[in-house]
Amino acid sequence: RKEVEQDPGPFNVPEGATVAFNCTYSNSASQSFFWYRQDCRKEPKLLMSVYSSGNEDGRFTAQLNRASQYISLLIRDSKLSDSATYLCVVNPSGSRLTFGEGTQLTVNP
Amino acid sequence: DVKVTQSSRYLVKRTGEKVFLECVQDMDHENMFWYRQDPGLGLRLIYFSYDVKMKEKGDIPEGYSVSREKKERFSLILESASTNQTSMYLCASSLWLQPQHFGDGTRLSIL
Repeated sequence: RKEVEQDPGPFNVPEGATVAFNCTYSNSASQSFFWYRQDCRKEPKLLMSVYSSGNEDGRFTAQLNRASQYISLLIRDSKLSDSATYLCVVNPSGSRLTFGEGTQLTVNP
Repeated sequence: DVKVTQSSRYLVKRTGEKVFLECVQDMDHENMFWYRQDPGLGLRLIYFSYDVKMKEKGDIPEGYSVSREKKERFSLILESASTNQTSMYLCASSLWLQPQHFGDGTRLSIL
């Protein structure tokens, strides 16, 4: 079983749509959680950290369910510029991070 | 803003060559990492370092070594390059338990 599993997609949605990405992780001792965004042929960039209480940053909402070992990212009112690959990232120990393979999103006009 | 700089964006080398990839960060981060990224396989950790002169193997260290003589610099070395090491190489740095910040990446082709 992979340490971090994501639906690879691709997701194709129209502008203005709401889209949700899900992720599960296997190590129950994992300490911190993040969503990264990666544009084509670019480096991954931190989108947001994920907290147990859930957190929101503008159109983006992240949720964490430690009991189910499940993380989600919700994007509301999708923009063309949201087209990218979204990486679910888990910190199993120390400062190591384990990356999911990513979910590809294309927002269409 | 954190700046992680990788020495080359694109690099072409020949099989059997010794290859050096350099990474420098300017935020006094104690942790530095080297990954490779391949289609369908995601990001895989090669080596990481928690401090100067310290190194730890990641998930795929075979065929690679690293050097960290100064806190700001972390070098990845391909001792004898092979075609299966053609990949995108990404360097990252972080503070303890904080998110990692990535360099632009080096696209390495081994012919």
